[in-house]
Amino acid sequence: QVHLVQSGAEVKKPGASVKVSCKTSGYTFTTYYMHWVRQAPGQGLEWMGIINPSHGSTSYAQKFQGRVTMTRDTSTSTVYMELSSLRSEDTAVYYCARGGYCISTNCHHAAFDVWGQGTMVTVSS
Amino acid sequence: DIQMTQSPSTLSTSVGDRVTITCRASQSISSWLAWYQQKPGKAPKLLIYKASSLESGVPSRFSGSGSGTEFTLTISSLQPDDFATYYCQHYNSYSFTFGPGTKVDIK
Repeated sequence: QVHLVQSGAEVKKPGASVKVSCKTSGYTFTTYYMHWVRQAPGQGLEWMGIINPSHGSTSYAQKFQGRVTMTRDTSTSTVYMELSSLRSEDTAVYYCARGGYCISTNCHHAAFDVWGQGTMVTVSS
Repeated sequence: DIQMTQSPSTLSTSVGDRVTITCRASQSISSWLAWYQQKPGKAPKLLIYKASSLESGVPSRFSGSGSGTEFTLTISSLQPDDFATYYCQHYNSYSFTFGPGTKVDIK
């Protein structure tokens, strides 16, 4: 059974950084892309970026360029999302979500079929 | 960037009703469209991918249609468990934009 288990809630001060983890199980970690999506309180879903766990390549939404870093640890099948220079508007639930896959050099994007439980990040002075 | 819109933003309806939600893309996205259901405090759940393919385990009362720039999600007979917010999403290349959501609530 495929599972994505995220780290716990965080409270940070403005200007700080936060690093959220997403531990995967039940599938071949390096085969599937992983995305990060956030949702501010009472708002919609916002795509932040994607990482290819096989070789660590990333692509970020323009809004987050320069502030977000996505990494992975293949030894623990875990992906990470770090957001820096936090401001109050970054208060949100952050989700990891599996979407797309690569077979050999053939890669395909796909809908997000498995999601983590979400991590609440609160930015407050 | 491709923009996604949804209508209506809120739908007040009753159990047993047929529900239709529309999603429009700012330019053609072929059939690269997904629909998700989200309940309060929970992660989104994939319902439909590639515009009309039903995700495994999703009840057959859910269906999707459309291509190009206009898409619909239909719930043939609304059940109590279906009161939730529904999002469409374009996915392809490195564009994964969500629509603003449609809240389906009780009339």
